[in-house]
Amino acid sequence: ELKVEQNPLFLSMQEGKNYTIYCNYSTTSDRLYWYRQDPGKSLESLFVLLSNGAVKQEGRLMASLDTKARLSTLHITAAVHDLSATYFCAVNNAGNMLTFGGGTRLMVKP
Amino acid sequence: DAEITQSPRHKITETGRQVTLACHQTWNHNNMFWYRQDLGHGLRLIHYSYGVHDTNKGEVSDGYSVSRSNTEDLPLTLESAASSQTSVYFCASSETGNSPLHFGNGTRLTVT
Repeated sequence: ELKVEQNPLFLSMQEGKNYTIYCNYSTTSDRLYWYRQDPGKSLESLFVLLSNGAVKQEGRLMASLDTKARLSTLHITAAVHDLSATYFCAVNNAGNMLTFGGGTRLMVKP
Repeated sequence: DAEITQSPRHKITETGRQVTLACHQTWNHNNMFWYRQDLGHGLRLIHYSYGVHDTNKGEVSDGYSVSRSNTEDLPLTLESAASSQTSVYFCASSETGNSPLHFGNGTRLTVT
């Protein structure tokens, strides 16, 4: 059974600081996704990582995938308040099913 | 623009009642999914479908059913609502392959 764990579960950080969210998963998978969810809203796709060593960047967010270590990271550079949200990683299971991590709630303080 | 629409946005029902949550997508995607979101559990897969007349059980399917009579719709039915089914329900769709999920805006269901 595929298990996906994120840490930390909650992250409070100052604007301008850097930090990394980690996503570990338990079985081999070839696809990993990152999503963002604002409070009371739906989930929005951020990144799709399809191969070992894949790196994607959008603004202040950069995601990477190490399939051998079964680890993905979401790095935040010089955080701003607008990045406050909950971030989920999701790993492809059999077929097109995704198993989600528990989420990391990020709060960026001025 | 293509979209995925869930209705109702909020629903309060009593224990034991049958409830159906609607999901309609105009992406023309074959794959559709229902997830529930609870604090401390992230999103958990309830049922999914890879095309018309195809339905499959997910991780937490007990007490739920779906049917797929056309490409656009995947309604989720709670046969006999229980308080443990109080949750936020998200419908999602995707193209085949590596594409990410497109999510609806969610339905907040309260079972009293």
